[in-house]
Amino acid sequence: ETGVTQSPTHLIKTRGQQVTLRCSSQSGHNTVSWYQQALGQGPQFIFQYYREEENGRGNFPPRFSGLQFPNYSSELNVNALELDDSALYLCASSLVASGRTPEQFFGPGTRLTVL
Amino acid sequence: RKEVEQDPGPFNVPEGATVAFNCTYSNSASQSFFWYRQDCRKEPKLLMSVYSSGNEDGRFTAQLNRASQYISLLIRDSKLSDSATYLCVVNSGNTGKLIFGQGTTLQVKP
Repeated sequence: ETGVTQSPTHLIKTRGQQVTLRCSSQSGHNTVSWYQQALGQGPQFIFQYYREEENGRGNFPPRFSGLQFPNYSSELNVNALELDDSALYLCASSLVASGRTPEQFFGPGTRLTVL
Repeated sequence: RKEVEQDPGPFNVPEGATVAFNCTYSNSASQSFFWYRQDCRKEPKLLMSVYSSGNEDGRFTAQLNRASQYISLLIRDSKLSDSATYLCVVNSGNTGKLIFGQGTTLQVKP
């Protein structure tokens, strides 16, 4: 096990609703990245948080937002849910240190279904 | 054009077979390269990093050709437990943004 946890494991919402997904990073890690994985596709980068600041963002609209807390845990918020938001949402934690590309450790994911 | 492209398969092979997966990437500035393994309905897990000199880990061999922007993974003596989706992954900068291919599905049959 990676030590990265996510909650909830499964979630069902309807179009237009809002959702918050949570991630606890591995002990000692300072960076959390979020990915969306649609069925049959590879994960797509949403954004990354480093020391509570957004540090890179993928091609996702502003209704996808996030937070990182002082303990390095993180939230992903999605407003105005659409059917295409149905996917597995993965968070990955890593320890960013200068001069190295860190390994990212993934949590088990939250499976979101939008009806 | 996708940033990282893989043949989605599926590859159906008998136990003991050798199988090779290929991947191409579009950003010549990409810095780090990986193969991840993902079991059905589970999270991706790092299988191995890929270096220009090539690297081997038991039955698995990974190669990188920067000039052709091409990455490969060779699995020798396939086991039933190798059945999974193999994701080619590229890190294009220092933000830690991983770019995943679609994944190649491998099914090893008895």
